[in-house]
Amino acid sequence: NAGVTQTPKFQVLKTGQSMTLQCAQDMNHNSMYWYRQDPGMGLRLIYYSASEGTTDKGEVPNGYNVSRLNKREFSLRLESAAPSQTSVYFCATKDRIGNQPQHFGDGTRLSIL
Amino acid sequence: QQQVKQSPQSLIVQKGGISIINCAYENTAFDYFPWYQQFPGKGPALLIAIRPDVSEKKEGRFTISFNKSAKQFSLHIMDSQPGDSATYFCAASGTGGTSYGKLTFGQGTILTVHP
Repeated sequence: NAGVTQTPKFQVLKTGQSMTLQCAQDMNHNSMYWYRQDPGMGLRLIYYSASEGTTDKGEVPNGYNVSRLNKREFSLRLESAAPSQTSVYFCATKDRIGNQPQHFGDGTRLSIL
Repeated sequence: QQQVKQSPQSLIVQKGGISIINCAYENTAFDYFPWYQQFPGKGPALLIAIRPDVSEKKEGRFTISFNKSAKQFSLHIMDSQPGDSATYFCAASGTGGTSYGKLTFGQGTILTVHP
C-alpha cells in the first residue's frame, strides 16, 4: 500500500528550465495539496485541489501551475525555474471536505542552480 | 504573513525529560489544531490533533494543551525518548471562508533528545 507517491525524489535544474513534479495516491482521497518546505518557514501551501476537476491557489502560487489529471494524480509544474524555487516539495491528500488529517508523500528535493 | 507562530526553533532535552513546544495563532476562524511529526527524509505525519471545544487532549506520552482566549496551544512530550528526535510542526485550519480545510503551518521545531 504505497499511500502518496512523489516522483522524482531528487532533481537538479538550471535556471530557466522547466519540469513537472508528479504526485499519485492510492487512498481514494478527494483533496490533494502541494506544499513547499523551506528552513524556518514551515510548510507553505502552493496550490490545492479540493476535488477532481478543481484547483485553487494557496499562499505562494507564483511561478507554479498545477493539473489535477484525475482523482489519483496531481502534478506541479515549474515553467521557468528560478533559484528561489529551490526547496523540498510535498504532496498531501485528504479524505474529504473538512478538518481531516492530511497524508503526505516523502517529498521531492529540488535544487535550481 | 505567518498566521501561526511556533517556538522554539530548536529544543534539546535529555532522555526522560519533558519537551514543550508552543504555538500562537491569529485567525479566530481556526477550529482545528493538529501537530505533525517529521523524520529526516520523510513527509510530515499526523501526531495528535485538538478542536477548541476541549482544553487538553492526551495520547500516550503526547498531550496538547489549548487556551482559546489566549489563542495559544502547545505540545507536551512526557518521558522524551531519543526516538522522538524529529521536527515538529503545529498547524491550524478552519471550516469557514477561504481557510476551509486548508492547513496553515508553524515554522517548525527541531527536537533532539539526548540519551
